Amino acid sequence: DAGVTQSPTHLIKTRGQQVTLRCSPKSGHDTVSWYQQALGQGPQFIFQYYEEEERQRGNFPDRFSGHQFPNYSSELNVNALLLGDSALYLCASSPPGSGAYEQYFGPGTRLTVT
Amino acid sequence: DAKTTQPPSMDCAEGRAANLPCNHSTISGNEYVYWYRQIHSQGPQYIIHGLKNNETNEMASLIITEDRKSSTLILPHATLRDTAVYYCIVRPRMYSGGGADGLTFGKGTHLIIQP
Repeated sequence: DAGVTQSPTHLIKTRGQQVTLRCSPKSGHDTVSWYQQALGQGPQFIFQYYEEEERQRGNFPDRFSGHQFPNYSSELNVNALLLGDSALYLCASSPPGSGAYEQYFGPGTRLTVT
Repeated sequence: DAKTTQPPSMDCAEGRAANLPCNHSTISGNEYVYWYRQIHSQGPQYIIHGLKNNETNEMASLIITEDRKSSTLILPHATLRDTAVYYCIVRPRMYSGGGADGLTFGKGTHLIIQP
C-alpha cells in the first residue's frame, strides 16, 4: 500500500511566478492537509481539504490556494511567488473520523524561489 | 492549542534510553499530548499520544505528570536511526467532521544519538 505521495520532489521558480504542487493521499484517506516548513522551523499549517472544500485554514495569504479532486488527491497553488515562499511543502492525509494522531505525511516538495 | 516548551537539542548514547521532556503548563482538560518526529529529509511521523495515563507502544513510552503540566517521551533503546527532530503537540482530540485537524508544530527537540 503506497503511502502519501507528492510531486514534484524539487522545484525551482522565479519571483512572481505561479506554482502547483500535487499530493495523492494514502489509500482510504479522505482528508488532505498542507504544511509549509521553512529551514530550521517546524511545519506550519496552511489549509485542509475535505469533501472537495477547504475546511480549515492557517495564517497564510490568499496567494495560497488549493483544490481537492473527487479521488481525494489535492493540489496546492501559490501565486506571485516571493523569496520567502522557499520551503519544504508537506502534504498529510488522514482517514475518515480520525484524530490528530492519524496524520500521515508525505516526503514533501522542496520549492526554491530565486 | 496550549503552548509547549522543549529543549532545542539533546544527545544520547546509542543503546541507552532517550528521555525527551516537554512542558505544557497551560494544558486544558480536553487536550491531549501528541508526539511526532521528523527524520532528516522526511515528513513528520506520528509516535504516540496520551491524555493523562502513561502510554506505551512499539516505538516509545509517554509519561504524563499527574498535574498534566509536563510529559516525557521515552525511547527505551535508542539507535542511530532515532536521530531526528521530536515535536510535542498539545491539542484537543475533538474535530468537526472530516479527518484530523491541522497540527501546530513548534521547533521541537533535535535528538542526536551518538555511536
